[in-house]
Amino acid sequence: AQSVSQHNHHVILSEAASLELGCNYSYGGTVNLFWYVQYPGQHLQLLLKYFSGDPLVKGIKGFEAEFIKSKFSFNLRKPSVQWSDTAEYFCAVSDSNYQLIWGAGTKLIIKP
Amino acid sequence: DAGVIQSPRHEVTEMGQEVTLRCKPISGHDYLFWYRQTMMRGLELLIYFNNNVPIDDSGMPEDRFSAKMPNASFSTLKIQPSEPRDSAVYFCASSLRGGLHFGPGTRLTVL
Repeated sequence: AQSVSQHNHHVILSEAASLELGCNYSYGGTVNLFWYVQYPGQHLQLLLKYFSGDPLVKGIKGFEAEFIKSKFSFNLRKPSVQWSDTAEYFCAVSDSNYQLIWGAGTKLIIKP
Repeated sequence: DAGVIQSPRHEVTEMGQEVTLRCKPISGHDYLFWYRQTMMRGLELLIYFNNNVPIDDSGMPEDRFSAKMPNASFSTLKIQPSEPRDSAVYFCASSLRGGLHFGPGTRLTVL
């Protein structure tokens, strides 16, 4: 069965630190990959997505993610985090049916 | 576009009452999803529709839950009778060729 694994449930960083959140999936076919962000008390918002083409995807708010097919990974990165990046981040994978398989989420806390 | 619209934003009801949550997807989107989010269970897919037809309702927890999509611009999720363990945030999301757009959610509290 398809699954998505996010390695860290909680990450605490100081402002200006670099961020990398891990995401691995298990699925042998063609996949679409997504990162969503949920700020406290708000709904999920699409941060970035990968369907095909350049495996380095740039999203909103300075985030980017790299699809490494050989590693079944789609890690999220940001070179310098801000306090406003405090949120929960979800990795998700879908196949051609567009039904998403979600990771458990990573709670990111940025210390001012 | 106004995005996905959900109503009500907050609902407080008593155990045993019927609850109806409403969703208006983004115009032109052909997929509609209902999710539930709680601290304990995280994000759960309840049901999704494609072109107004229910495709997979295996996530619907019990017969007390039902969902309809009478047309491309409207869907409802009904809980009858409601129970305290149904308290959660219910999100509707719509999609066209992948990448979900979520509504603001309905925070349901069942006393």
